[in-house]
Amino acid sequence: DAMVIQNPRYQVTQFGKPVTLSCSQTLNHNVMYWYQQKSSQAPKLLFHYYDKDFNNEADTPDNFQSRRPNTSFCFLDIRSPGLGDAAMYLCATSREREETQYFGPGTRLLVL
Amino acid sequence: RKEVEQDPGPFNVPEGATVAFNCTYSNSASQSFFWYRQDCRKEPKLLMSVYSSGNEDGRFTAQLNRASQYISLLIRDSKLSDSATYLCVVKSTGGSYIPTFGRGTSLIVHP
Repeated sequence: DAMVIQNPRYQVTQFGKPVTLSCSQTLNHNVMYWYQQKSSQAPKLLFHYYDKDFNNEADTPDNFQSRRPNTSFCFLDIRSPGLGDAAMYLCATSREREETQYFGPGTRLLVL
Repeated sequence: RKEVEQDPGPFNVPEGATVAFNCTYSNSASQSFFWYRQDCRKEPKLLMSVYSSGNEDGRFTAQLNRASQYISLLIRDSKLSDSATYLCVVKSTGGSYIPTFGRGTSLIVHP
């Protein structure tokens, strides 16, 4: 059974058109993470939530926002996607910060 | 110096070979260590956590060397299906356990 679910798996959007990616988890984990991964690069952490506490990485562009309305769900909003935002977006969870992360299958974003 | 460094490879080995990767980290306050496997265009999947005493899971052995600040992954009797990118992840208390990824080591196992 899938434990970290991401929807959609593939998303095509137009330059400048807002897009929302979703992540849900059945693990009841406290921490949820959003990563951006481009080809042949390591995943880059955008932000994470510990419960309702939001933690933004210093170099995450303002164009990226996130919401966590409850324990199970977390959303990534890209307000005005640029061509450089085309990437795989990975959601991960962990029970506590120092513990193992479990990744969802990712959403591959294409910006036209 | 990057916080977590890995040789990107690729390591090109025949089936049955033993191969080892290292991952060095710069933050001495690092507390949690993990190896993930990532197949092309897929998500990272946990291979194993790395404990101070080292740990083994079948053909895979992970070791932690705190004095020299590196972790290692040894794969014995390589299979074709082991071909993937192996990512090292380090979490540090000083950084509120923010996970830091290495860029990954590519392994290609050939017949």
